[in-house]
Amino acid sequence: GQQLNQSPQSMFIQEGEDVSMNCTSSSIFNTWLWYKQDPGEGPVLLIALYKAGELTSNGRLTAQFGITRKDSFLNISASIPSDVGIYFCAGRSNDYKLSFGAGTTVTVRA
Amino acid sequence: DTEVTQTPKHLVMGMTNKKSLKCEQHMGHRAMYWYKQKAKKPPELMFVYSYEKLSINESVPSRFSPECPNSSLLNLHLHALQPEDSALYLCASSQELVNEQFFGPGTRLTVL
Repeated sequence: GQQLNQSPQSMFIQEGEDVSMNCTSSSIFNTWLWYKQDPGEGPVLLIALYKAGELTSNGRLTAQFGITRKDSFLNISASIPSDVGIYFCAGRSNDYKLSFGAGTTVTVRA
Repeated sequence: DTEVTQTPKHLVMGMTNKKSLKCEQHMGHRAMYWYKQKAKKPPELMFVYSYEKLSINESVPSRFSPECPNSSLLNLHLHALQPEDSALYLCASSQELVNEQFFGPGTRLTVL
């Protein structure tokens, strides 16, 4: 599948901050997924979105499926140290294959 | 049981060895996947099985050979690998092809 444009590539967070990342595509997707991966582990599914305009929360995480079906964002509110890791967006169209973003690396600011 | 398990967690093999990676899920999922992931890169799809039949082969070299013995198990047989094949190999499953995928913890493979 195609690679999505995910930004920012990396970010530093301070505990308590809200952070945001997004993904855009040149193609329309039917599904948007957000995963978090810790070092040496597999990606863990955070949020799945199935409808354009859908806004879904999972604890301190909120994600939206863009109206154009070509973008999605993920917000993390009141960040904590265990939020560090690599966040991947993934989109799926009709061919059942997931297209992944390059990832956003979240690090704690010293 | 709500997880995908993979064994072994780590594997070191020589270029002439034959080894196998194993993946198991007991969630009743009918689609299973193999991905390869290099450091700091997203996962790359290798193979997709649906109802125990190979649905997608992403032009993977024949030194990688997948097998789906039953609806809960997925194997990846390795033979004559190259050092550049060293990576994290991830298994995933989903209820059907259209549903969200759940990943296992991966096997860290090193080819010497």
